Amino acid sequence: TQLLEQSPQFLSIQEGENLTVYCNSSSVFSSLQWYRQEPGEGPVLLVTVVTGGEVKKLKRLTFQFGDARKDSSLHITAAQPGDTGLYLCAGGRGSNYKLTFGKGTLLTVNP
Amino acid sequence: DADVTQTPRNRITKTGKRIMLECSQTKGHDRMYWYRQDPGLGLRLIYYSFDVKDINKGEISDGYSVSRQAQAKFSLSLESAIPNQTALYFCATSDETSGIGDTQYFGPGTRLTVL
Repeated sequence: TQLLEQSPQFLSIQEGENLTVYCNSSSVFSSLQWYRQEPGEGPVLLVTVVTGGEVKKLKRLTFQFGDARKDSSLHITAAQPGDTGLYLCAGGRGSNYKLTFGKGTLLTVNP
Repeated sequence: DADVTQTPRNRITKTGKRIMLECSQTKGHDRMYWYRQDPGLGLRLIYYSFDVKDINKGEISDGYSVSRQAQAKFSLSLESAIPNQTALYFCATSDETSGIGDTQYFGPGTRLTVL
């Protein structure tokens, strides 16, 4: 069962454009994390959101956790080629707090 | 130096062979994880360990076994490799501070091909 659905699966844009990727679920999570993975490397954490409605900003990246803690979005303003990578959302819940990962959004920002 | 290391980085093997992937960490974390990543399927949890004496199956443990030799070492074994175990394998660690939203730190991955 795929608990976290990410969309779009692939996104190719030009430098300077804005974009939003989504992470949706029918389940409630205690927290939602976003990771970025570059080719040949492991995922690296960008942000963790834990409160419904929470918004966090990381330079040009804005992350939002849905009010019901079932979904999240990542908005990038004025994308740059260095933003290229696989963006993964991961939800945590349960007493043992295991992460469930979405399939990812592969972003390509062309110069 | 990397905090989470994996060896080997690449491995090509044949069906039926026994393979061990190793993970070491210098972060001092108690929790360690093994994931596999397949195109279009994302990251899936194979096994996880919350301390040396606590090992648990993840969502796709069939065909795999693990050993937690020490706090810093967590090995993944494929007793008899099969082609559908061809994938990118990641080790990760986390430090339970709050219990919610703990960061997972990933190694660089091992690319395994089973012919």
